[in-house]
Amino acid sequence: EVQLVESGGGLVQPGRSLKLSCAASGFTFSNYGMAWVRQAPTKGLEWVATISYDGSSTYYRDSVKGRFTISRDNAKSTLYLQMDSLRSEDTATYYCARAVWDYGSYVGFDYWGQGVMVTVSS
Amino acid sequence: NIVMTQSPKSMSISVGDRVTMNCKASQNVGNNIAWYQQKPGQSPKLLIYYASNRYTGVPDRFTGGGYGTDFTLTINSVQAEDAAFYYCQRIYNSPFTFGSGTKLEIK
Repeated sequence: EVQLVESGGGLVQPGRSLKLSCAASGFTFSNYGMAWVRQAPTKGLEWVATISYDGSSTYYRDSVKGRFTISRDNAKSTLYLQMDSLRSEDTATYYCARAVWDYGSYVGFDYWGQGVMVTVSS
Repeated sequence: NIVMTQSPKSMSISVGDRVTMNCKASQNVGNNIAWYQQKPGQSPKLLIYYASNRYTGVPDRFTGGGYGTDFTLTINSVQAEDAAFYYCQRIYNSPFTFGSGTKLEIK
C-alpha cells in the first residue's frame, strides 16, 4: 500500500525557516517524481514544487522561487521541502504527492499524504 | 503564466442528476488537464488526466472532455458520496497550476 507521511510542520515566525519531510513507502520511491502542494485555510489547492525521480530537475511556482528548495533522499525514500524567509501568505497545509509520469512529463498526482500544517505568524 | 478559471464556484444537485462543471485555461494547453476530487477533511484524489483519461479505479460516471482552452468534468447519475470540491490542473508543463475549484453539494 502506498503511504506518504508528512512531518515537520508547526508555528514559525515570519522570516524564519522550516523544513518539511515526507516519508514514502509501498512503492519504489526512486522511480517517481514527487511534488509539494499546499492549501491555505478554506482556500483551494496551490502547486508549490516538483522534483524529478533522480533529483536532477526541479520546478517551482514563482512566489516561492529563491525561498523554497525541494530535494529528496532516495536511499531514505524521503522527500523534503526547505522553506526559508517564510511569509504569512505561506500559511497552509502542505501535502506531498506522487507524480504520474507519461511520455516526457508529469500528468497528475496520484497519491497524496494527509498533509502537515504550517503557520507563519508572530 | 497560464490561469485556470473554474465555473461555477458552487452548485447544488440532486442524487441521480447529471452535472457538468467547467475549467477554462487562459492559453491553449492542448489536452494537458487533470481533474481532482477533494472531500471535506481529506486529501485530493486524481480522477482524470489528459483531459479525458479516467484514472485507475475511478467510476465511469466521471467523464472529462475538452481541448485547447475549454474543458468539462461531467458526473452522470450523481451519488451522495460525490459531494466534494473539484479542481482542474494544468499538467505536462510547469507551472502545474490548479483552478480555484467548484464545490458540489448534494440536495
